[in-house]
Amino acid sequence: DAKTTQPTSMDCAEGRAANLPCNHSTISGNEYVYWYRQIHSQGPQYIIHGLKNNETNEMASLIITEDRKSSTLILPHATLRDTAVYYCIVKGDYKLSFGAGTTVTVRA
Amino acid sequence: DAGITQSPRHKVTETGTPVTLRCHQTENHRYMYWYRQDPGHGLRLIHYSYGVKDTDKGEVSDGYSVSRSKTEDFLLTLESATSSQTSVYFCAITWDLSYNEQFFGPGTRLTVL
Repeated sequence: DAKTTQPTSMDCAEGRAANLPCNHSTISGNEYVYWYRQIHSQGPQYIIHGLKNNETNEMASLIITEDRKSSTLILPHATLRDTAVYYCIVKGDYKLSFGAGTTVTVRA
Repeated sequence: DAGITQSPRHKVTETGTPVTLRCHQTENHRYMYWYRQDPGHGLRLIHYSYGVKDTDKGEVSDGYSVSRSKTEDFLLTLESATSSQTSVYFCAITWDLSYNEQFFGPGTRLTVL
């Protein structure tokens, strides 16, 4: 599986957009980019995934660069409930490989 | 939320005792997974199942065994618990291996004294 690099932590103001970057420079052509989040002590929650086109759902938007070496998860209007660890994962086979993720703290 | 439950939710046991954790799903998903989560390591795959009686090892399978006798249940057994197995255990399910949109259970916090 391709490795990913994410910032350790970031803060965001409530109501503002949160932009979470992820580098995956060794990604292969058939590997998807997945985003999960984990709110304190709960199981991880799927957010969104994409291959090369930008994707949007009710939770977030995913922007993947044209060369696919990086992506950005956008939470359009962050709320306090979005405080969590966010994981960027490149799926290569049957399993998810979770790294350390980005700890996002949304402040009032 | 996906219908996935884990039991027990919390357990304290002593070194050397056998422990079985249960994952139960009501979604009829084919694939089931057991992960453990420890500080500084993220989630790591222990075992997974791709059908009834079909299981395989993950990256940290030593000291663990699994069984899946029916679609809805995936059991994780620690044959002789050790303190290094103190962790939070998560079960996950998915219907399609090619996508990996996994749904996770609430977790079991296991403490081995």
